[in-house]
Amino acid sequence: DTAVSQTPKYLVTQMGNDKSIKCEQNLGHDTMYWYKQDSKKFLKIMFSYNNKELIINETVPNRFSPKSPDKAHLNLHINSLELGDSAVYFCASSQYTPGEAFFGQGTRLTVV
Amino acid sequence: AQSVAQPEDQVNVAEGNPLTVKCTYSVSGNPYLFWYVQYPNRGLQFLLKYITGDNLVKGSYGFEAEFNKSQTSFHLKKPSALVSDSALYFCAVRDIRTDKLIFGTGTRLQVFP
Repeated sequence: DTAVSQTPKYLVTQMGNDKSIKCEQNLGHDTMYWYKQDSKKFLKIMFSYNNKELIINETVPNRFSPKSPDKAHLNLHINSLELGDSAVYFCASSQYTPGEAFFGQGTRLTVV
Repeated sequence: AQSVAQPEDQVNVAEGNPLTVKCTYSVSGNPYLFWYVQYPNRGLQFLLKYITGDNLVKGSYGFEAEFNKSQTSFHLKKPSALVSDSALYFCAVRDIRTDKLIFGTGTRLQVFP
C-alpha cells in the first residue's frame, strides 16, 4: 500500500486552464503539506494543514487553493495556470509538525 | 530566520570510499535538523534527524550525520558508498517560529563504480 499517493503523476495543460492535483495518505497522520520543486530542484513549502485546518500558507498566488475534505486528503486546485507554474508538486504528511515527513511521488505539471 | 546551506552542488565519490555531504545551519535556539534523499523521479525519503542527544545520529541505508554545534554543521556521512546511493540529498531545518521545514538547495551525489 502506498503511504502518500498523489494523482495524476503527470499533467500537461494549456495556459489559462484550471487543474487539480489530489493527495491521499493512509498513515493516519494529522498534518499534510504541499511543496513545490522548481526546475533547479529548489523545494519550498506552499501549504500545511493540520486536522483539516490551514496552518501554513506561504506567499503563493491566490490562484492556488488547497482543500482538505478530511485529514487523510489534501487536494490542490490551481486556477488560470501560467507558464511559471510548471514544476513538480509534492504532497507530504507527518504525524508531528513538521517531524519526519512522508512524501508522495510528485506530480509533474507542465503548462504550455 | 532559520536556514540551512549546502555548499556543494555535486559530490563525486568512488564506490567503496567514504562519502560526506555537507550542511551548515543558522538557527536561533536549538536546531531540529533533518536529511532527506530524493531518487530520480521520486519523492523525498526521510533519512535521519537530530533533535537532541548524541551528536552522531544513525539513519537509513547506513547513513549517519554528525551534529557539530561549534561549527553549526550537520554533515551526512557514510563509511562506504554504493552506486545505488547516487541521488539528490537535502538537508532541512525546522523553523521553530512557523513550524515549517526549510530545505537546503540540495547536493547531487554521484557514486562511480
